[in-house]
Amino acid sequence: GQNIDQPTEMTATEGAIVQINCTYQTSGFNGLFWYQQHAGEAPTFLSYNVLDGLEEKGRFSSFLSRSKGYSYLLLKELQMKDSASYLCAVFMFSGGYNKLIFGAGTRLAVHP
Amino acid sequence: DTAVSQTPKYLVTQMGNDKSIKCEQNLGHDTMYWYKQDSKKFLKIMFSYNNKELIINETVPNRFSPKSPDKAHLNLHINSLELGDSAVYFCASSPLSGVTAYEQYFGPGTRLTVT
Repeated sequence: GQNIDQPTEMTATEGAIVQINCTYQTSGFNGLFWYQQHAGEAPTFLSYNVLDGLEEKGRFSSFLSRSKGYSYLLLKELQMKDSASYLCAVFMFSGGYNKLIFGAGTRLAVHP
Repeated sequence: DTAVSQTPKYLVTQMGNDKSIKCEQNLGHDTMYWYKQDSKKFLKIMFSYNNKELIINETVPNRFSPKSPDKAHLNLHINSLELGDSAVYFCASSPLSGVTAYEQYFGPGTRLTVT
């Protein structure tokens, strides 16, 4: 089976840095994706990691450790518009095909 | 121009009815998906089509039947709607090849409410 865990909620202050953790237990792992979803809207792609290490994309960075089954999303210089849910998703091979399995998401509230 | 579009955006209907949701993508992608997001916000894959061919069929009641007339369209028909079908249904698409082959682009969602 597969299991993806991330905190349910987090709060942070505008201008600060926040790290959202994700741990997973899956077979057939092929990569890890992060998506952002504002309330009432569609998820939008933020980043993906296939190999161990840090991927940086502007204010957002994502880290992966395959041996530890662990990833995090780092958001710097937080803005009010970053208040959203952040979905960790494992890209895995199962049953003869590849698919994305999503965690329940972490709801981030950024306050002034 | 909207990349992935869905209609309708909202759908309110009674138990036992049959309804359809339509999805279209203009990105030229080969693969399309249907996801269900329940009240607890879990986003779960239901179906995937690659070039009109069904490639993923998760454990979904057979009241749900996807249809792909061409690779730009993937529709979802639901028979005999039940209360538990209330959710937001997202359509998504992704390119077949390349390092970001599975970067998925989501439509705006269809909020289905069954009363």
